[in-house]
Amino acid sequence: DAGVTQSPTHLIKTRGQQVTLRCSPKSGHDTVSWYQQALGQGPQFIFQYYEEEERQRGNFPDRFSGHQFPNYSSELNVNALLLGDSALYLCASTRRFISYEQYFGPGTRLTVT
Amino acid sequence: AQSVTQLDSHVSVSEGTPVLLRCNYSSSYSPSLFWYVQHPNKGLQLLLKYTSAATLVKGINGFEAEFKKSETSFHLTKPSAHMSDAAEYFCVVSEGVSGSARQLTFGSGTQLTVLP
Repeated sequence: DAGVTQSPTHLIKTRGQQVTLRCSPKSGHDTVSWYQQALGQGPQFIFQYYEEEERQRGNFPDRFSGHQFPNYSSELNVNALLLGDSALYLCASTRRFISYEQYFGPGTRLTVT
Repeated sequence: AQSVTQLDSHVSVSEGTPVLLRCNYSSSYSPSLFWYVQHPNKGLQLLLKYTSAATLVKGINGFEAEFKKSETSFHLTKPSAHMSDAAEYFCVVSEGVSGSARQLTFGSGTQLTVLP
């Protein structure tokens, strides 16, 4: 059984560009959350998707947007990249109302130059 | 609002000695509490969770944590450290019983070093 998978593993972008990160949840999971982990810090919640809708959002600007597809996979989009967006982006999945546990993927390392 | 404070950014122990990683939390509601471990270049792995059942929680790899409501603490312990325990550890809080529907709030992390 594959766990949470994310692509790409690493990404280098230039300031002002746009980026899309992808996540496939663990089999049987229907809820996907995205987190940003800056170097030396704990992950920070960006938003959560369930039934193809954004259900919760953390303190991130509108440049950060997402999408969930009918197969429960998800994308994170970041527009107008800033140097400060350089971070490890983590995706987590769970079965809503069934489990307390969130399973994390290995992350996508984004570097903005 | 919920928050987590990990009291030590770095902890260093010798192999075979006890491990104590300290965590205090703040929550307006009944919290769910977790400890996650992150090895270099690896994803976050759940060590253990507290969700309003027994206050002493046993996790994987010999780790335990005790929920103390009066002290708002959820410290992580292990009787005997192993070299493979060296990693970053995160204390995490999630408000409400339906933890899976809530966002996770992470502490800033504790880097555990295990000396031979």
